[in-house]
Amino acid sequence: EDQVTQSPEALRLQEGESSSLNCSYTVSGLRGLFWYRQDPGKGPEFLFTLYSAGEEKEKERLKATLTKKESFLHITAPKPEDSATYLCAVLGGGADGLTFGKGTHLIIQP
Amino acid sequence: DAGVIQSPRHEVTEMGQEVTLRCKPISGHNSLFWYRQTMMRGLELLIYFNNNVPIDDSGMPEDRFSAKMPNASFSTLKIQPSEPRDSAVYFCASSPDRGSGYTFGSGTRLTVV
Repeated sequence: EDQVTQSPEALRLQEGESSSLNCSYTVSGLRGLFWYRQDPGKGPEFLFTLYSAGEEKEKERLKATLTKKESFLHITAPKPEDSATYLCAVLGGGADGLTFGKGTHLIIQP
Repeated sequence: DAGVIQSPRHEVTEMGQEVTLRCKPISGHNSLFWYRQTMMRGLELLIYFNNNVPIDDSGMPEDRFSAKMPNASFSTLKIQPSEPRDSAVYFCASSPDRGSGYTFGSGTRLTVV
């Protein structure tokens, strides 16, 4: 069974204070690791897909990296509008849909 | 494209009543997923359709839950009879194929009293 664990559960940062969110996973035959952003009262919004260890992707202040056991979402000089819950998900070789972690609730204070 | 459209946005019903949630996927997307989100369990996959055919319904909690996709532009998730423990946010998502990033709808917040 595919499993995803995200840490920390919640993180409060000052505006401009860089940090990283962690996503640890166990999966049989990783076909992709996905990062989503979810704002209150909305559905998850797709950010990145990573397919193999060593791969990196960037979007504005966010950069996602992948190893064989975990992924990091690095946030550089965050702004208040980056406040959201960030979800990590994996697609395993034997699965039909994504398995999600419970997310990291990120708050950026002005 | 208007994205994935779900209705209703909110539903409050009494225990024992039938509830039907609706979803219109993005045109051209062959894969459709129903997820349930709660604080305790996070996002859980309920059922996956490919080209309108149910492929994996192992996540459907019990026989009270059923889902259909009569055509490429419409899907329903039905709960009959509903119970308070069914209270959650139900999301529909679609993608060009199961390996691509999903586009989620805004969800239906279901409260069973």
